Amino acid sequence: KQEVTQIPAALSVPEGENLVLNCSFTDSAIYNLQWFRQDPGKGLTSLLLIQSSQREQTSGRLNASLDKSSGRSTLYIAASQPGDSATYLCAVPFFTGNQFYFGTGTSLTVIP
Amino acid sequence: DTAVSQTPKYLVTQMGNDKSIKCEQNLGHDTMYWYKQDSKKFLKIMFSYNNKELIINETVPNRFSPKSPDKAHLNLHINSLELGDSAVYFCASSQPPGQGYTEAFFGQGTRLTVV
Repeated sequence: KQEVTQIPAALSVPEGENLVLNCSFTDSAIYNLQWFRQDPGKGLTSLLLIQSSQREQTSGRLNASLDKSSGRSTLYIAASQPGDSATYLCAVPFFTGNQFYFGTGTSLTVIP
Repeated sequence: DTAVSQTPKYLVTQMGNDKSIKCEQNLGHDTMYWYKQDSKKFLKIMFSYNNKELIINETVPNRFSPKSPDKAHLNLHINSLELGDSAVYFCASSQPPGQGYTEAFFGQGTRLTVV
């Protein structure tokens, strides 16, 4: 069974800081990993999908990296803004169980 | 043009009632899911349907029953609602996990409150 954990559980930073969110998974037999954002009371918005053959994927101020061998992915947010405040979730699709396994989430607060 | 849509967005009902949540996807995906998000925001799989066939059922009470009339729709029916069923329920779709590039798309969620 795949287990996905995210560290830290919560993070509070002043506006403008660069920050890193971490995601770890126990079974490295994955094809890709997906990062989501969830605003309070809202659904999940896909941010980045990084394939196992890629090491990095970028979208604007977001950069995701993936190291399958060590079972880790990081989401780097540059020059954070108050609008980045949300919960960030990572998820891996896994053949066994035919599902996406979600991490525990990181709640980010960016202080103006 | 919404990729995964679920209705209703909010559902408030009394204990013991039966309710349904509908989900539709227009992405042509073969697999659809129902996830439950608890008060700690953790997302847990309830059901997975692949081409209308139930693949998994993660210890969900049999009061919950998924129904898929075709591969674009996966509805969730809940009998005899209990207070503990209050949560946010998400529908999602993708191509089957483990078959290469697989991206999940989620509906906006249904916030169920049982009173």
